[in-house]
Amino acid sequence: GENVEQHPSTLSVQEGDSAVIKCTYSDSASNYFPWYKQELGKGPQLIIDIRSNVGEKKDQRIAVTLNKTAKHFSLHITETQPEDSAVYFCAALKAAGNKLTFGGGTRVLVKP
Amino acid sequence: NAGVTQTPKFQVLKTGQSMTLQCAQDMNHNSMYWYRQDPGMGLRLIYYSASEGTTDKGEVPNGYNVSRLNKREFSLRLESAAPSQTSVYFCASSEALTGGGEQYFGPGTRLTVT
Repeated sequence: GENVEQHPSTLSVQEGDSAVIKCTYSDSASNYFPWYKQELGKGPQLIIDIRSNVGEKKDQRIAVTLNKTAKHFSLHITETQPEDSAVYFCAALKAAGNKLTFGGGTRVLVKP
Repeated sequence: NAGVTQTPKFQVLKTGQSMTLQCAQDMNHNSMYWYRQDPGMGLRLIYYSASEGTTDKGEVPNGYNVSRLNKREFSLRLESAAPSQTSVYFCASSEALTGGGEQYFGPGTRLTVT
């Protein structure tokens, strides 16, 4: 089955700096890669996703890049703000698949 | 719209007790899911329901049962709770099962088994 590894497990950045989280996946048939943000005491919420037919996608301060050859994808947050502090999860889904496989999560702390 | 709602928010059980976690969604979604979240292990799929009337096992189904009561509701039952089932449980829903797309999560149920 699919295996998704996520690094780092914790990340501390100064407000205004950038944060990068990396994930690798094992199944080359995976073609959908979402990122979820989980705030304290809440359920995860989708913040951005990318499909395998594109290499990069941006939404304001958030961007995701995908390298299909190397089977890894990354989340980039620029100009971090205190409200970016949360746990972030990457995930992967196979084409015609029906189960998301999640990474282990990254706890991001933005220090003011 | 309330989105995805879960009850209860917190629960403490003794080993061997049973309970049912309730989940409902008001987005007219076809597919629903139950996950458990443990530290450092992300979210692991317990069971899912592609559509009303169907259920299938996920990655960690042992010790659990589910019921898709109707299109809105999907319940998770622990017949004989064990300390290894101490976790945070999330219900989620999506428009369709395949092809990707957003899953909407509930606020979670924090379960402790002593």
